[in-house]
Amino acid sequence: QVQLQESGPGLVKPSETLSLTCTVSGGSIVSYYWNWIRQPAGKGLEWIGRMITTGNSNYNPSLKSRVIMSVDTSKNQFSLKLTSVTAADTAIYYCARAYGGGSWFFDIWGQGTMVTVSS
Amino acid sequence: DIQMTQSPSTLSASVGDRVTITCRASQSISRWLAWYQQKPGKAPKFLIYKASSLESGVPSRFSGSGSGTEFTLTISSLQPDDFATYYCQQYNSYATFGQGTKLEI
Repeated sequence: QVQLQESGPGLVKPSETLSLTCTVSGGSIVSYYWNWIRQPAGKGLEWIGRMITTGNSNYNPSLKSRVIMSVDTSKNQFSLKLTSVTAADTAIYYCARAYGGGSWFFDIWGQGTMVTVSS
Repeated sequence: DIQMTQSPSTLSASVGDRVTITCRASQSISRWLAWYQQKPGKAPKFLIYKASSLESGVPSRFSGSGSGTEFTLTISSLQPDDFATYYCQQYNSYATFGQGTKLEI
């Protein structure tokens, strides 16, 4: 079955760029929307954005100016870059799959990766 | 932005109880609502979509209802494995989650 695995640095300095990758295994990355969602410790979930392999993307308006997402179909991977990070960006970051076409719910999730913003 | 508000924030219950969690949207979202279950240290697990459609493999004791701005998740007979935090998510416009309801013994 399809599995997702996040990877990337666990510690990022303030004002720098957070970079994460999600590897999709057990299925194709094509024809689905791939999402990033984050969760600060002990708090709720915040959708960051989504992207499909055609290049179409949508971002949370509150984060849009700092988010860049990309997809690499040859590696079955998609990536997140979040620029100018602050301590408020400290969270567990999840990648997740959505079907698209109005079905913007997340049926498969990665296990999550903790990212701390600190000097 | 569409805001999602869940109630209660915490719910104490016992095995065998029937429990209901409510999720309210700040504007109509038709039936574009999903529910998730999250246990400590784990990713959320997808339960229900389109307000009342059960994901494959989810036990039938879980059910969802509602439309417009008010929705409910009901667990008909609580099992030990059900004690977790539950989140609703609207997908009428992008995606927004409720703040969560912690179901505890």
